[in-house]
Amino acid sequence: SYVLTQPPSVSVAPGKTARITCGGNNIGSKSVHWYQQKPGQAPVLVIYYDSDRPSGIPERFSGSNSGNTATLTISRVEAGDEADYYCQVWDSSSDHPKWVFGGGTKLTVL
Amino acid sequence: EVQLVESGGGLVQPGGSLRLSCAASGFTFSSYSMNWVRQAPGKGLEWVSYISSSSSTIYYADSVKGRFTISRDNAKNSLYLQMNSLRDEDTAVYYCARDGDSSGYYPHFDYWGQGTLVTVSS
Repeated sequence: SYVLTQPPSVSVAPGKTARITCGGNNIGSKSVHWYQQKPGQAPVLVIYYDSDRPSGIPERFSGSNSGNTATLTISRVEAGDEADYYCQVWDSSSDHPKWVFGGGTKLTVL
Repeated sequence: EVQLVESGGGLVQPGGSLRLSCAASGFTFSSYSMNWVRQAPGKGLEWVSYISSSSSTIYYADSVKGRFTISRDNAKNSLYLQMNSLRDEDTAVYYCARDGDSSGYYPHFDYWGQGTLVTVSS
């Protein structure tokens, strides 16, 4: 089965840039989606189709995907960005497709 | 405004059953595929099941196959998850989530409900 690997934690100072990676075998050939989840809340889609932003998501959030790594980049980080972030792909390699999540990355704003 | 509201969670003994519901509003429910995603306490997200807009295509995660059944009633704008033979490891918050992809090739979850907690314990 397809595996997505994320760092457990990333720390960044306010105003700096945070980069959260999502590793997978030839993930560049897949479409990657990213979710933000704050404590006690449901996840929120922040990036879809590798780099598109839903309406209402700040331009500070961007995504890229190439080779074996997809990256969520948060520019000019704010305290309110502190959350867990999950990447997700659709694994259609078998007769029974699966929606796969990474293990999640806790973003801490110092 | 898109709204998804889950209900039906609670405490159930191992081996027991529970039926979750998700009431949808603010969009044409019959036009969208839907999913259930769960999150065990302190853990990450796990996709559980998918159902297409017409119920013609259904998928399950290996961890629930044969025990859980997803269904929908487009006339009632509702999604369901029948959970049988529940195990301790099924304890989680269960979210219903809308599929935001119209192509069928890059499915993702564009709207989520607030979740309902299922606790399996004796």
